[in-house]
Amino acid sequence: KQEVTQIPAALSVPEGENLVLNCSFTDSAIYNLQWFRQDPGKGLTSLLLIQSSQREQTSGRLNASLDKSSGRSTLYIAASQPGDSATYLCAAIDNNNDMRFGAGTRLTVKP
Amino acid sequence: DTAVSQTPKYLVTQMGNDKSIKCEQNLGHDTMYWYKQDSKKFLKIMFSYNNKELIINETVPNRFSPKSPDKAHLNLHINSLELGDSAVYFCASSRRQGRGYGYTFGSGTRLTVV
Repeated sequence: KQEVTQIPAALSVPEGENLVLNCSFTDSAIYNLQWFRQDPGKGLTSLLLIQSSQREQTSGRLNASLDKSSGRSTLYIAASQPGDSATYLCAAIDNNNDMRFGAGTRLTVKP
Repeated sequence: DTAVSQTPKYLVTQMGNDKSIKCEQNLGHDTMYWYKQDSKKFLKIMFSYNNKELIINETVPNRFSPKSPDKAHLNLHINSLELGDSAVYFCASSRRQGRGYGYTFGSGTRLTVV
């Protein structure tokens, strides 16, 4: 049974800092790994999706890496901004398109 | 300007009733999905709908039926509701069908059957 863990649970940083969010999963037989952002009361917005054959994806100030062998993914946010404040979730997606989520990292970027 | 919106957010109904949950996406995506949240962290796929192709998870009871009037909408109709149907249901969309496309989710509909 896949277990997904995210560390830290909460993070507060000053504006402009670079930061790393961590995601680990117990079953390396994943199909994809996806990072999401969730704002209070809103749905999940897709940030980056990494296919199992890939090692990283980049979009703007975001970079996500995947190491299947060690069961880890990281989300790197460069030059953080107050608008980046949200909860970030990673999800391991299996061959059936079922998704197992981590509990999330609540990020606060202070101006 | 919500990307994927579901209505209602909360639905409380009696056993045996028929109810519908609506989903709309304004992202121009081709593919839409319904997921059932089985636990706090696990979403199990129920249906995916790509244009006019419907793919059904065989474990879903046939009391559940998706209806897609157009590419931007995928509604979920549930007949003869049972206590075990109580859960949070999430709608999602992706640009295309296939492993390279990420999902965008709605905020969920909490269904409670009493």
